[in-house]
Amino acid sequence: GAVVSQHPSWVICKSGTSVKIECRSLDFQATTMFWYRQFPKQSLMLMATSNEGSKATYEQGVEKDKFLINHASLTLSTLTVTSAHPEDSSFYICSASLGRDLNEQYFGPGTRLTVT
Amino acid sequence: GQNIDQPTEMTATEGAIVQINCTYQTSGFNGLFWYQQHAGEAPTFLSYNVLDGLEEKGRFSSFLSRSKGYSYLLLKELQMKDSASYLCAAMDSNYQLIWGAGTKLIIKP
Repeated sequence: GAVVSQHPSWVICKSGTSVKIECRSLDFQATTMFWYRQFPKQSLMLMATSNEGSKATYEQGVEKDKFLINHASLTLSTLTVTSAHPEDSSFYICSASLGRDLNEQYFGPGTRLTVT
Repeated sequence: GQNIDQPTEMTATEGAIVQINCTYQTSGFNGLFWYQQHAGEAPTFLSYNVLDGLEEKGRFSSFLSRSKGYSYLLLKELQMKDSASYLCAAMDSNYQLIWGAGTKLIIKP
């Protein structure tokens, strides 16, 4: 089956620093990757959609200068949380799909970010 | 607007059957998904329906009625490990998933 990995699985950082989260599709080429954020006991919130080689499309209310997304290859997308604040503490999950007609998104295991 | 409604929490007994309902309103429709999410973990795919009717997959079945904007997930022979949140998500005309808030299922012995 399709496997998506994320690294790191958890990270603690200090306010004002930046954190990079990697999302990799291990055994398939992902045309599209999605980044979600999930606060405790809440549903997933789509942050942005990225296609390989093009700029990410951000959802309304998500600051693109704060959450930098780079989809450099068909198997790797990165999310960088810049100048992190405690309110950025959350569970960040990526998913990948082969194409717009695929009826499944393959989720990574998630990254728990804690900003102190 | 686009909206997904599902119950916040349900309780059921080990070995029993439980049905989790979901209603949706989206701009266009390209399918209805059910995901299982254990606490602290990412969602895992359970089912996908795009045509009306029942799709059975082992102990889990999913039903869709497009005319009613309604789906349900049916879990049979409940096991303690089925305790989790179950997320309903509808794909709109732009192929974006609209997520429900999830139904927390508590299984009691």
